[in-house]
Amino acid sequence: NAGVTQTPKFQVLKTGQSMTLQCAQDMNHEYMSWYRQDPGMGLRLIHYSVGAGITDQGEVPNGYNVSRSTTEDFPLRLLSAAPSQTSVYFCASSPTTGGHQPQHFGDGTRLSIL
Amino acid sequence: KQEVTQIPAALSVPEGENLVLNCSFTDSAIYNLQWFRQDPGKGLTSLLLIQSSQREQTSGRLNASLDKSSGRSTLYIAASQPGDSATYLCAVSSSNYQLIWGAGTKLIIKP
Repeated sequence: NAGVTQTPKFQVLKTGQSMTLQCAQDMNHEYMSWYRQDPGMGLRLIHYSVGAGITDQGEVPNGYNVSRSTTEDFPLRLLSAAPSQTSVYFCASSPTTGGHQPQHFGDGTRLSIL
Repeated sequence: KQEVTQIPAALSVPEGENLVLNCSFTDSAIYNLQWFRQDPGKGLTSLLLIQSSQREQTSGRLNASLDKSSGRSTLYIAASQPGDSATYLCAVSSSNYQLIWGAGTKLIIKP
């Protein structure tokens, strides 16, 4: 099984550009989420989804959009990139609601905004 | 607001030692607590999940304990090996199902 697949692994953007970080899982998990990880800090939840067609905001949603048209895919869109969005982004999934079962993580996307 | 703290931020020990990693949280109203491992350039791997009603969980050389009343959890690693070198993170889940994370302890096991 591929598990949780994130693309791209690395990306450099200029301020103001937009892009989509891709996340796909092949485990038929209902719950998917996006986190960002910054040096010296814990992971922070950006957006999450409890099933296809349902999304909600996490702790730090500003500047990001998500959609969940299928169970498998949960893309994260940066609308107008800012240097403060330089971070490592992780996508995770779990069979049901995220905090109640162990989550499966992708390998991350390392994003730099110049 | 729930806050999760992991001290120390980094730890270096010789191979073969038993060691303890610490995690503390400010609000005892948690649903569960989880320990994860993160290797450089990789995602996170779930190690142990302790439900709020449990006191400990064990997996191989790993043992995690939970004391809700004092807001503390420990991850005990027995007979440490160089392959245990990684960053270890803890996270707590409250009734809203979201995880609140500590910043992690970077562990180095010296051969």
